Amino acid sequence: EVQLVESGGGLVQPGRSQRLSCEASGFTFDDYAMHWVRQRPGKGLEWVAGISWNSAGVDYADFVKGRFTISRDNAKKSLYLQMNRLRAEDTALYFCTKDIVTTLGFGYFDLWGRGTLVTVSS
Amino acid sequence: EIVLTQSPGTLSVSPGERATLSCRASQSVSSGYLAWYQQKEGQAPRLLIYASYNRATGIPGRFSGSGSGTDFTLTIRRLEPEDLAFYYCHQYSSSPGTFGQGTKVEI
Repeated sequence: EVQLVESGGGLVQPGRSQRLSCEASGFTFDDYAMHWVRQRPGKGLEWVAGISWNSAGVDYADFVKGRFTISRDNAKKSLYLQMNRLRAEDTALYFCTKDIVTTLGFGYFDLWGRGTLVTVSS
Repeated sequence: EIVLTQSPGTLSVSPGERATLSCRASQSVSSGYLAWYQQKEGQAPRLLIYASYNRATGIPGRFSGSGSGTDFTLTIRRLEPEDLAFYYCHQYSSSPGTFGQGTKVEI
């Protein structure tokens, strides 16, 4: 089955770190760029970060630059998001998404996971 | 960064009627690189339309996209109860890709 399954969410204190994971199945993972998109409570969708098929290209939204790091392990068909110095405003449902191209830029998202919820609160 | 503004915020439509959703960009979306996603309550978004007017695999023919430049439209003909959802437009012509704030379709 073609799917993306996120994990790693939970309750975390402000200023602490959390690592999200996304496991892919049913398609050739290393043929595509991958992204994280988030949805804050009651809000719309926000692109967070993207990574090219071979990790040579990465890009971040301004609001996470310097705090979040996206990475992937093609052998494990997995995508990761290391989130440091978390803030209350990072509270959101984080979706793993698959691009339709190998590199960053000019791609839309044709497969989404169900998301993992990160709550930043003391 | 291209800002996408969707209207209306909420659209109330009866089953069998047509729904017209608008997405306006703050600057031209080159090559028509605009997609539409449907998100039902508690579910992940699903790709409906890409490159302005192309239906994604498995999407019913009652969904259609149109537009170019800064003005894009998603039309749902003969609305069905299962179409109750939020709809988001997404431009991927320039980095960072951005989403509209969404339109809620009420039946």
